[in-house]
Amino acid sequence: LAKTTQPISMDSYEGQEVNITCSHNNIATNDYITWYQQFPSQGPRFIIQGYKTKVTNEVASLFIPADRKSSTLSLPRVSLSDTAVYYCLVGPLTGGGNKLTFGTGTQLKVEL
Amino acid sequence: ETGVTQTPRHLVMGMTNKKSLKCEQHLGHNAMYWYKQSAKKPLELMFVYSLEERVENNSVPSRFSPECPNSSHLFLHLHTLQPEDSALYLCASSQDLGSRETQYFGPGTRLLVL
Repeated sequence: LAKTTQPISMDSYEGQEVNITCSHNNIATNDYITWYQQFPSQGPRFIIQGYKTKVTNEVASLFIPADRKSSTLSLPRVSLSDTAVYYCLVGPLTGGGNKLTFGTGTQLKVEL
Repeated sequence: ETGVTQTPRHLVMGMTNKKSLKCEQHLGHNAMYWYKQSAKKPLELMFVYSLEERVENNSVPSRFSPECPNSSHLFLHLHTLQPEDSALYLCASSQDLGSRETQYFGPGTRLLVL
């Protein structure tokens, strides 16, 4: 079971790049890494997913080093609306059931 | 709008009441989940269903009873709850099980147990 560790909170200003790192030291060979965003009183929503190296979409980039023991979510030029909790999820590619474990989440606060 | 709906959105109940939470997904997914989110705590996975069969029960107290009558609907039956069960209960679905499958979450039911 790949336990994840994230910083509890981070502060930033509008226009800055924000990098949130998730540690998953005992990640398994067939585990994927997924990041979710959650606003207050809403369910989490998918941001990005990767297995190794770098993945980029219109919202964020995900950097995964060769050993895959950590991953970094990069949000370019954040705005106030990016204030939310960001979760790292690691689990097996298929099946897994209760092995899909969300991390503690990182509360990102973006200010003017 | 994620394609996953939950009702009710808010619920207040006494410790002796029996109530049910409902989740419906319109995405044609095969897997459905119940999560509990208490204040300032991470998401806790409670139950997982795949193709209407319960895959895992994460040591959840028996006062929580899930039901999945078909692949589109998931219920969480509640009885004799405790005040510490007050939380946001989130339902999610995914095409299949596995970390590569994006989970789509509903808006949640905010439960207060008095």
